[in-house]
Amino acid sequence: DTAVSQTPKYLVTQMGNDKSIKCEQNLGHDTMYWYKQDSKKFLKIMFSYNNKELIINETVPNRFSPKSPDKAHLNLHINSLELGDSAVYFCASSNDRERNYGYTFGSGTRLTVV
Amino acid sequence: KNQVEQSPQSLIILEGKNCTLQCNYTVSPFSNLRWYKQDTGRGPVSLTIMTFSENTKSNGRYTATLDADTKQSSLHITASQLSDSASYICVVSAPYFTGGGNKLTFGTGTQLKVEL
Repeated sequence: DTAVSQTPKYLVTQMGNDKSIKCEQNLGHDTMYWYKQDSKKFLKIMFSYNNKELIINETVPNRFSPKSPDKAHLNLHINSLELGDSAVYFCASSNDRERNYGYTFGSGTRLTVV
Repeated sequence: KNQVEQSPQSLIILEGKNCTLQCNYTVSPFSNLRWYKQDTGRGPVSLTIMTFSENTKSNGRYTATLDADTKQSSLHITASQLSDSASYICVVSAPYFTGGGNKLTFGTGTQLKVEL
């Protein structure tokens, strides 16, 4: 199926650990994004990659680092996890640097830091 | 600070009834406005996308309106169904000149519940 797929769907880990969330899209989109949805359901952009170039990097702690091995993948690495990192993380993709085309979102990864 | 505010925060309606969700924004400049539906535990799914020159756009039982002058948008749901129960998120897109592309600002959403 054509889609944006994220793995894992659920991730429970202890403080201080390092973890990765993977994202893949087979839609042929040229831009991929990571969003964080907090407990109030507010979606905030974290990163955006276009053709392996970082376009948008919001004020995200440098413990978070995106890795894009190719145009179809954008993985999120998180070092030294903190309790406040607990949230749902969504991967998304779009075409032509978003403009007037729609975003396609993955189903989300619920990260719980204990 | 660019903001997107939605109202009401939550809404409960009976199946078959209509409802209207509101979105006010201060994002400027403005590229387009989108409405997304997010089911519990799922990613947002696009319902409508409107540029500043469009006043209304429909997608089945969903009709979005936009007044770019007053920076207001609404999403009208007709003949609601149980499956409409979800969070509806208003998203405003603005040009992001550093490196090109656009930046999306998400509202906090309206939680809709449709009951029998």
